[in-house]
Amino acid sequence: QKEVEQNSGPLSVPEGAIASLNCTYSDRGSQSFFWYRQYSGKSPELIMSIYSNGDKEDGRFTAQLNKASQYVSLLIRDSQPSDSATYLCAVLEGATNKLIFGTGTLLAVQP
Amino acid sequence: KAGVTQTPRYLIKTRGQQVTLSCSPISGHRSVSWYQQTPGQGLQFLFEYFSETQRNKGNFPGRFSGRQFSNSRSEMNVSTLELGDSALYLCASSGTVGEKLFFGSGTQLSVL
Repeated sequence: QKEVEQNSGPLSVPEGAIASLNCTYSDRGSQSFFWYRQYSGKSPELIMSIYSNGDKEDGRFTAQLNKASQYVSLLIRDSQPSDSATYLCAVLEGATNKLIFGTGTLLAVQP
Repeated sequence: KAGVTQTPRYLIKTRGQQVTLSCSPISGHRSVSWYQQTPGQGLQFLFEYFSETQRNKGNFPGRFSGRQFSNSRSEMNVSTLELGDSALYLCASSGTVGEKLFFGSGTQLSVL
């Protein structure tokens, strides 16, 4: 099984700042990438999906993909305390179509 | 549209027992995936079903099994429970294999 790596954090940012979350993956055949948010005691919910190199923006969220470097990131602009959660990077294995998750990065936005 | 429904929400079992968890996917979704989530290991892939067929399987022992019915509902079974099986079991559905997943609320299993 291929790997998806994330820094476990916690990543602490002040309210209004940009939070930058990073993820690396090992499967060069992967073509689909997802970011999920999980609040404590809740199930993961999909925030963004990205399939092509470059940036994809959705409101305050921007996903960035660099397949050559096997790197995916999520930027959260104007961070709010309500953004405090664990952010999970997920990568679809190319050969098997299994969706593999990283262990997540805990984000804490300080008021 | 109703989301993914998992039952029961909580379960307490003792070592050696077996357990069956149920998952109803979003209407129209034909793919169901199961994950085990623990604080130390994160989300670990168990298996995925599509049209009643197991399409993928993770690295779990044979005590973990599952099935999918013709209405896309799925069950997973864990036999001979061990303490280490205590975890949150999450079910997720998608329209087809490889699409974005939508998760249920999970079943919290505690093995005593």
